[in-house]
Amino acid sequence: ETGVTQTPRHLVMGMTNKKSLKCEQHLGHNAMYWYKQSAKKPLELMFVYSLEERVENNSVPSRFSPECPNSSHLFLHLHTLQPEDSALYLCASSQVTYESNNSPLHFGNGTRLTVT
Amino acid sequence: GESVGLHLPTLSVQEGDNSIINCAYSNSASDYFIWYKQESGKGPQFIIDIRSNMDKRQGQRVTVLLNKTVKHLSLQIAATQPGDSAVYFCAESNYKLTFGKGTLLTVNP
Repeated sequence: ETGVTQTPRHLVMGMTNKKSLKCEQHLGHNAMYWYKQSAKKPLELMFVYSLEERVENNSVPSRFSPECPNSSHLFLHLHTLQPEDSALYLCASSQVTYESNNSPLHFGNGTRLTVT
Repeated sequence: GESVGLHLPTLSVQEGDNSIINCAYSNSASDYFIWYKQESGKGPQFIIDIRSNMDKRQGQRVTVLLNKTVKHLSLQIAATQPGDSAVYFCAESNYKLTFGKGTLLTVNP
């Protein structure tokens, strides 16, 4: 049983659809993350919400839009995606302080996204 | 640029043997390292971490060794079991985490 829950587990969407991925963490952490995992590539950081700040990877296309209403919930809004966006999208959380960012990330089981 | 990589993309061992998975890192400023295990259909699971002021840390059946001189990290799994079959990848941190691609460990019964 993971402390980070992601829904849905699988999602198939067309390029003109709008959908949202949801993540909830039950660990009392203060930072949440979205990662993209593609085959044979390292995990790619997309967005971070940490200590009430949002940090972005500038290479993420604007068709991905994060939302973090509170420290326990994180969303990734998707619109007009491309087939190459098909991947496993992982949410993670961690506990950070202003002095140190060195703490392990705890991941959910991901949403397997297929864009047709 | 800085990168984290693995020497062996696949590793096959017999049940009961010890496994060693290696990781090379190039950012000498990294001060925190983590090993993750990812089983099919699941997210990465934290195994063990180590800070740069240590060179060895042990957990349950796992040991992480850090050699800062040659920028090398290894994960040792004792008495490998079929349930250990998964992709293992390391991550290094200098404020920001950078992940390696992973090594597929297969345990043969």
